[in-house]
Amino acid sequence: GQQVMQIPQYQHVQEGEDFTTYCNSSTTLSNIQWYKQRPGGHPVFLIQLVKSGEVKKQKRLTFQFGEAKKNSSLHITATQTTDVGTYFCAGPVIDSNYQLIWGAGTKLIIKP
Amino acid sequence: DSGVTQTPKHLITATGQRVTLRCSPRSGDLSVYWYQQSLDQGLQFLIQYYNGEERAKGNILERFSAQQFPDLHSELNLSSLELGDSALYFCASSVAGGLRSYNEQFFGPGTRLTVL
Repeated sequence: GQQVMQIPQYQHVQEGEDFTTYCNSSTTLSNIQWYKQRPGGHPVFLIQLVKSGEVKKQKRLTFQFGEAKKNSSLHITATQTTDVGTYFCAGPVIDSNYQLIWGAGTKLIIKP
Repeated sequence: DSGVTQTPKHLITATGQRVTLRCSPRSGDLSVYWYQQSLDQGLQFLIQYYNGEERAKGNILERFSAQQFPDLHSELNLSSLELGDSALYFCASSVAGGLRSYNEQFFGPGTRLTVL
């Protein structure tokens, strides 16, 4: 069945280091969305990518959508403690405009 | 604040019991989604309603049911509760209007269910 795989499951970084999480879909996606869930919080929408090869930036966050629209990445430059949380990618289920299939999330942990 | 409200915030109950979780979507949003998140796990999609009708079903147990009312609020009913049902239950809403609109989901704060 349709799947979205997200790696790694966890990433431990020192504050100031970079962080990257990757999503790979078993099918071509019409778009991909990224969400962030802070510890104890709820998922919050970050961004949506629609075009093949699209790159979008939000301050230190860079989001990419692959040329084949089957993979995506989120890269954070110079992590800060405020970046801590779990990052999820999600793409629409085939033939559905509304239902999303979610990656398992990557938990960003800042080493003390 | 996402505009999605969920009640109650916390719920503690015993095995075998039945509970109802309530969700009010953002004003104007027609779609409501229910998710289950166990400790440190990902989001498990349970069910989606669109304008009062069931639109999609995920990994929802037969002991669980949901509905969306004419005023668009939704309720998730969990019955014959087991220890393993302890989790955070999120409701999300989206505009979901039109074939070409891919709408982000706005999540409520969640209901933390503890089954003892």
